[in-house]
Amino acid sequence: QQQVKQSPQSLIVQKGGISIINCAYENTAFDYFPWYQQFPGKGPALLIAIRPDVSEKKEGRFTISFNKSAKQFSLHIMDSQPGDSATYFCAATSLKSSGDKLTFGTGTRLAVRP
Amino acid sequence: GAVVSQHPSRVICKSGTSVKIECRSLDFQATTMFWYRQFPKQSLMLMATSNEGSKATYEQGVEKDKFLINHASLTLSTLTVTSAHPEDSSFYICSARSHRVGIQGYTFGSGTRLTVV
Repeated sequence: QQQVKQSPQSLIVQKGGISIINCAYENTAFDYFPWYQQFPGKGPALLIAIRPDVSEKKEGRFTISFNKSAKQFSLHIMDSQPGDSATYFCAATSLKSSGDKLTFGTGTRLAVRP
Repeated sequence: GAVVSQHPSRVICKSGTSVKIECRSLDFQATTMFWYRQFPKQSLMLMATSNEGSKATYEQGVEKDKFLINHASLTLSTLTVTSAHPEDSSFYICSARSHRVGIQGYTFGSGTRLTVV
C-alpha cells in the first residue's frame, strides 16, 4: 500500500532528447507527488511537484503528467542536457495525515550523452 | 527559499566511537524533521521522524538506542550514531518540514558521508 514503483532503473538519452521517468503508486490517500534530483554526494533537491487536482504541471523543461485513475505520474525532461545527468526520485505522501512522511521510488539514474 | 544546513558533510570515525550529525533549518521553523539513510545506488530509507519537543518515531528495524535523535528546537535536530561499527557506514540525510512553509515544505540537507574504520 505504501510502495511507489519507479521505472526505468537507468536511462541514457542523447543531448536534446526527451527523458521520461514513470512512477506508480497504490495508496489512494497520497495527495502530493514531488520529484527530486540528486547529484552524487549531495542531498535530494526538489525539482517539481504536483497535487492530484491537476493532470499536468510544467516548469521550464520539466513537466509532470499525472493520471489519477491509473495512479501513475511521470516526469518528462525536454531538451535534455548533460547537466541533467543525475539520479531522479519520485515520491508521494498524504499531506492530510499525521506523520506525512515521503514514500520514495527506487530512483532512476539518468545519463545524457553530449 | 527554505534552506537546511547539515554538518558535517564527511566524517571518519573509529569503531566504537559516537558521531553526531547536525541538521539546521536556516530560514524557517521545522515542525518535523526526518532522518534518512542511503546506501550506494539505492533510494532513501527513512530512519525516523521527529517533532520538536517530543520523542522521535523510529521506523521498523531501526535501533533507537543506536541512532539517537534529538529535536530540541524548531531549527535544530541531531542524529547521534552511538558505538559506531563499519556496517553503519552510509550516507545520512536530514529533511525538514514546516507546515507553515506550505506545499514545498520538504527541504533536504546536503547529506553526511559517515565512514567507520
